Amino acid sequence: GAVVSQHPSRVICKSGTSVKIECRSLDFQATTMFWYRQFPKQSLMLMATSNEGSKATYEQGVEKDKFLINHASLTLSTLTVTSAHPEDSSFYICSARDRSIGEAFFGQGTRLTVV
Amino acid sequence: AQTVTQSQPEMSVQEAETVTLSCTYDTSESDYYLFWYKQPPSRQMILVIRQEAYKQQNATENRFSVNFQKAAKSFSLKISDSQLGDAAMYFCAYRSREGYIDNYGQNFVFGPGTRLSVLP
Repeated sequence: GAVVSQHPSRVICKSGTSVKIECRSLDFQATTMFWYRQFPKQSLMLMATSNEGSKATYEQGVEKDKFLINHASLTLSTLTVTSAHPEDSSFYICSARDRSIGEAFFGQGTRLTVV
Repeated sequence: AQTVTQSQPEMSVQEAETVTLSCTYDTSESDYYLFWYKQPPSRQMILVIRQEAYKQQNATENRFSVNFQKAAKSFSLKISDSQLGDAAMYFCAYRSREGYIDNYGQNFVFGPGTRLSVLP
């Protein structure tokens, strides 16, 4: 199956700093990528939809100025958590859609801890 | 908007036995996809099985099979001959079919999950 690589898998940062998470589709072109957040023992909640070459669409309640999404190429989308605070600590997962086969694949996830 | 419900927060099964995980959903669409994903402690989302709503035949993948009842909007997962490696969180998910939405979306709508324990 198609591979989606998410990096880093774990990151610890100080409160007030920014963290960038990358999501790459390794063997297909992804016109659309999705960013999810998962709190402990909870389900995945969609944060935003990232379309190549255009602005991301954010779900209600997600601060677009805090969670910056860039989808500059057909294989890469980035999520930047700006001025991170402890409440931003969570597990972030990306999903990339292979339009040629109409299927979406998940990255390995990133565990963010803000101290 | 679509919703997915999993009424069993936790389930347990004896090794080699069979277990069924429940899922119901709500949608006004007539064509869509349904999925079961497994999330082990590594947190990697692993596709277990997929069902296309226009197909009446229930999907099967080795020890995994579904009971898809479209009219009842029910999509249960049966795991036969349970193995220790099956222990994980299981998420039921819904996804619109292309053409039913006016954006590139097609994001998954996930249920709350069922934690499955397999007892040796």
